[in-house]
Amino acid sequence: GEDVEQSLFLSVREGDSSVINCTYTDSSSTYLYWYKQEPGAGLQLLTYIFSNMDMKQDQRLTVLLNKKDKHLSLRIADTQTGDSAIYFCAGPWGGSQGNLIFGKGTKLSVKP
Amino acid sequence: DAGVTQSPTHLIKTRGQHVTLRCSPISGHKSVSWYQQVLGQGPQFIFQYYEKEERGRGNFPDRFSARQFPNYSSELNVNALLLGDSALYLCASSLFGAGDNNEQFFGPGTRLTVL
Repeated sequence: GEDVEQSLFLSVREGDSSVINCTYTDSSSTYLYWYKQEPGAGLQLLTYIFSNMDMKQDQRLTVLLNKKDKHLSLRIADTQTGDSAIYFCAGPWGGSQGNLIFGKGTKLSVKP
Repeated sequence: DAGVTQSPTHLIKTRGQHVTLRCSPISGHKSVSWYQQVLGQGPQFIFQYYEKEERGRGNFPDRFSARQFPNYSSELNVNALLLGDSALYLCASSLFGAGDNNEQFFGPGTRLTVL
């Protein structure tokens, strides 16, 4: 099956940039997604990138995609305490757009 | 507009019992997917339904079943509950069953605890 790897923890200081990384093995994906999950809550769709793009910027969020290395990253500029959450990368590697495969998530802690 | 809604929010059952979880998609969305998220893991795909038909099934036992109604709401049923079924069950809705960018929007989940 598809293998999606994320580092489990990231700690940054408020105001710094955060970079969350994701690597995957299946190259057949079209759209790739980043979701945010706050404690006790469901998943919030943050942003996505189409596989023919290298970069997408959306306000404080920048997504970088390296298809050759099968590496996806999410950069959060000027990280705030409200950004503390678990971040998941996901892609339709399960065979359909309705079947997303998720990484295990990266827990981002932002210190004041 | 309301987002994806799920009920109940929390549920406690004992081993061997049966449970039914419910989901209402975003208005206009025709596809519902179900995911199981155990503590410390990412969500795992269980089922996708589109226009009342099953479009995908994950690697879960036959104790898990689902259906979609004419109004596009959906139920997930789990029979003969095991301790390992304790998890957050997430429902996601999307406009279509497939397609280029079929963004999935998640509900708040149902927290199931099996004792």
